Amino acid sequence: EVQLVESGGGLVQPGGSLTLSCAASGFDFSDYEMNWVRQAPGKGLEWVSYISSRGTNMYYAESVKGRFSIFRDNAKHSLYLQMNSLRAEDTAVYHCARVGYDSGGYTSSFDYWGQGALVTVSS
Amino acid sequence: DIQLTQSPSFLSASVGDRVTITCRASQGISSYLAWYQQKPGKAPKLLIYAASTLQSGVPSRFSGSGSGTEFTLTISSLQPEDFATYYCQQLNSFPRYTFGQGTKLEIK
Repeated sequence: EVQLVESGGGLVQPGGSLTLSCAASGFDFSDYEMNWVRQAPGKGLEWVSYISSRGTNMYYAESVKGRFSIFRDNAKHSLYLQMNSLRAEDTAVYHCARVGYDSGGYTSSFDYWGQGALVTVSS
Repeated sequence: DIQLTQSPSFLSASVGDRVTITCRASQGISSYLAWYQQKPGKAPKLLIYAASTLQSGVPSRFSGSGSGTEFTLTISSLQPEDFATYYCQQLNSFPRYTFGQGTKLEIK
């Protein structure tokens, strides 16, 4: 069974830092591209960051570029999101999500999601 | 970035109703569209990918159609467990796979 479990959320002051983790199980983690998606309280889904299967290519939403870093450890089946210079508007539940592929091998969805980690940025 | 606009944003319906949600893209995205269901406090669940392919395990009352800029999600006969928020997502523009704003489906 595919499972993604986030951890590391919590309350942090504006300007502070936090690192989220996502532990993967039930599939060959090193074969899959991964993403972070966040959801502010009462709001919709916002894509945050992407990392390739080997961890060599990373991309970020403009709203977090320069402040957040995505990385992974395939040996530990884990994905991470380091968040620096946090702002009130970063308050959200952060989900890790696995890329799903269609029969032709093209990216077709985010097929599995973790339950999320709540990050609250407040003084 | 490609913008996705869902309509309606809120929908009130009864058990047994047929409902349709529309997702419009700001530019053509071929069939690179997915639909998700999210219940309060839960992770999104994949329903449909490639605009019309049902994810394994998803009931056949869910169906998707469309290509280019206009897409629809249809639930043929609403069940109590279907009351949730639904999101579309485009996967045409790597890596910024944007989402629609969501459609909240409520019990009438």
